[in-house]
Amino acid sequence: EAGVAQSPRYKIIEKRQSVAFWCNPISGHATLYWYQQILGQGPKLLIQFQNNGVVDDSQLPKDRFSAERLKGVDSTLKIQPAKLEDSAVYLCASSRPTSGGLGTKNIQYFGAGTRLSVL
Amino acid sequence: SQQGEEDPQALSIQEGENATMNCSYKTSINNLQWYRQNSGRGLVHLILIRSNEREKHSGRLRVTLDTSKKSSSLLITASRAADTASYFCATDPSSNAGGTSYGKLTFGQGTILTVHP
Repeated sequence: EAGVAQSPRYKIIEKRQSVAFWCNPISGHATLYWYQQILGQGPKLLIQFQNNGVVDDSQLPKDRFSAERLKGVDSTLKIQPAKLEDSAVYLCASSRPTSGGLGTKNIQYFGAGTRLSVL
Repeated sequence: SQQGEEDPQALSIQEGENATMNCSYKTSINNLQWYRQNSGRGLVHLILIRSNEREKHSGRLRVTLDTSKKSSSLLITASRAADTASYFCATDPSSNAGGTSYGKLTFGQGTILTVHP
């Protein structure tokens, strides 16, 4: 099966400009995640969708970041206006949680990410 | 915030040696997962261990989980140069009825493993 697709792979912008990232999850995966990964750190969840509804956006800086998932498939993440500290890799992941035995297994599949540099 | 703390931050070994990475976490979990990230790439799932399991194997990988100490370790045996990557533990918290923790993973800071040929 095709993996998680993200574009663009790289983006360089100046501060106060806007930028958008696109993600196409694995077919049939209802759950989609956007993560921010700053150099040398682990991924930090920004927003989680279940189909086209938001499950968790508690760590999304809503004054400048927005995300949508129309029709429960593709998703876009936007930053407007960008700040220097937004320089990071933005990762998209998708999953199809499965239940069985004790608890639910939620294995996430990641795209290659978009590396954003804000100058 | 990052839940997991990984130790060591960086590990450098020779091919053929074993590599051990540790992860500690703070809250109750449903399961714990390990992921690998090659430079410039996304994360790849390696192995999942449930809260009621103590040890799990997959090929050259061995994972242990001690829920009383809230810690896990990943052992890679007979390492290869291709194992060079960053390794992250991720915790899936115990789900609450109607809660939003369902399916949400919290990643540690990662261990950078370098395997020299």
